[in-house]
Amino acid sequence: GAVVSQHPSWVICKSGTSVKIECRSLDFQATTMFWYRQFPKQSLMLMATSNEGSKATYEQGVEKDKFLINHASLTLSTLTVTSAHPEDSSFYICSAKQGTEAFFGQGTRLTVV
Amino acid sequence: QQQVKQSPQSLIVQKGGISIINCAYENTAFDYFPWYQQFPGKGPALLIAIRPDVSEKKEGRFTISFNKSAKQFSLHIMDSQPGDSATYFCAASKGGGGSNYKLTFGKGTLLTVNP
Repeated sequence: GAVVSQHPSWVICKSGTSVKIECRSLDFQATTMFWYRQFPKQSLMLMATSNEGSKATYEQGVEKDKFLINHASLTLSTLTVTSAHPEDSSFYICSAKQGTEAFFGQGTRLTVV
Repeated sequence: QQQVKQSPQSLIVQKGGISIINCAYENTAFDYFPWYQQFPGKGPALLIAIRPDVSEKKEGRFTISFNKSAKQFSLHIMDSQPGDSATYFCAASKGGGGSNYKLTFGKGTLLTVNP
């Protein structure tokens, strides 16, 4: 199947700094990518839909100024957590679809200290 | 509003047994129903998916049963193995699951298969 690569796998940052997470579709082009957040032992919560060449669509309650999404090419979407705080610590996962099948990245564990 | 309800929250099965996880949905516009398997610290991976035009789909030890009138679908894992121990999520999507359509996930089921 297709491969979605997410980088980094884990990151620790200081409170107040910004962190960028990359999501790449390695062997297919993705006009749409999705960003999720997952708390321990909970389900995936969709944060936003990333559209290549246009603005992302954010789910209700997700702060667009805090979670900046850029989808500059057909194979790369980035999520930047701005002015991170400890409550932003979580597991962030991206996905991209090839046809009807969604492929997920391996996730990024963000810890804000 | 929880659009996809999943049960049980956790499940313990003996090796060789059958694991059954159930999901119910509310939105009749959903027309694509996948199941995902997630190991700790990893992203989910697609196991099997079904569309409402069939009542059952089988791939190896994994079977989806779908009841359109009841708006329910379930995952059956036959001959469960310790390596199947993971969290399983059901999901649903509109638009046939097309690339622009988002998935709505159930809350997940933690499956433990004892040796």
